[in-house]
Amino acid sequence: DIQMTQSPSSLSASVGDRVTITCRASQSISTYLNWYQQKPGNAPELLIYAASGLQSGIPSRFSGSGSGTHFTLTISSLQAEDFAIYHCQQSYSKPYTFGQGTKLEIK
Amino acid sequence: QVQLVQSGAEVMKSGASVKVSCKASGYTFTSFFIHWVRQAPGQGLEWMGIISPSGGGTVYAQKFQGRVTMTRDTSTSTVHMELSSLTAEDTAVYYCARVVTVAGVFTMFDPWGQGTLVTVSS
Repeated sequence: DIQMTQSPSSLSASVGDRVTITCRASQSISTYLNWYQQKPGNAPELLIYAASGLQSGIPSRFSGSGSGTHFTLTISSLQAEDFAIYHCQQSYSKPYTFGQGTKLEIK
Repeated sequence: QVQLVQSGAEVMKSGASVKVSCKASGYTFTSFFIHWVRQAPGQGLEWMGIISPSGGGTVYAQKFQGRVTMTRDTSTSTVHMELSSLTAEDTAVYYCARVVTVAGVFTMFDPWGQGTLVTVSS
């Protein structure tokens, strides 16, 4: 199985900050990488697909990059509604494994 | 709009089986695969398996082989996930999610059901 490792596990930031979350795969997955946002008590929601594709309806302050084994999710200017848990997921091969999640908290 | 609505919370005894339902609406049910993912309290997301609503074919994660059964009912646009021999470690929120494919190769989960909490007690 492909292991996905996110860093950091948690992060404190302020409204307006630029934030970057990293996801590493245990083997090359090309750009078969998705990012999801999960708010407390809710199901995950797709943000970024294929490493850098912005899902329809998602604000442009969210962006993704990377290929192979190293990927990043960047939020250019944090808004209050962005404080949540972020998950990366590989869709290169089954089982479609997820990272352990990054909890973004208000400083 | 595209929507997946899951059945309500369940409290089960160790050793029992639970069946969670996921009803699809707003799109052609047989055109999109459905995955099941679970999330234990305070933990990450764990992929359980996939079902084809058109043919009923399934692929299960090795961890759940022999214990999970995914089925579908095309007459009601509903998929079901049954997990047997429950233990306390199966306490989790169970999600269904529709698979969307872009450019014929990139797959993603969108949308997700609202989740079903399954609590297993001894």
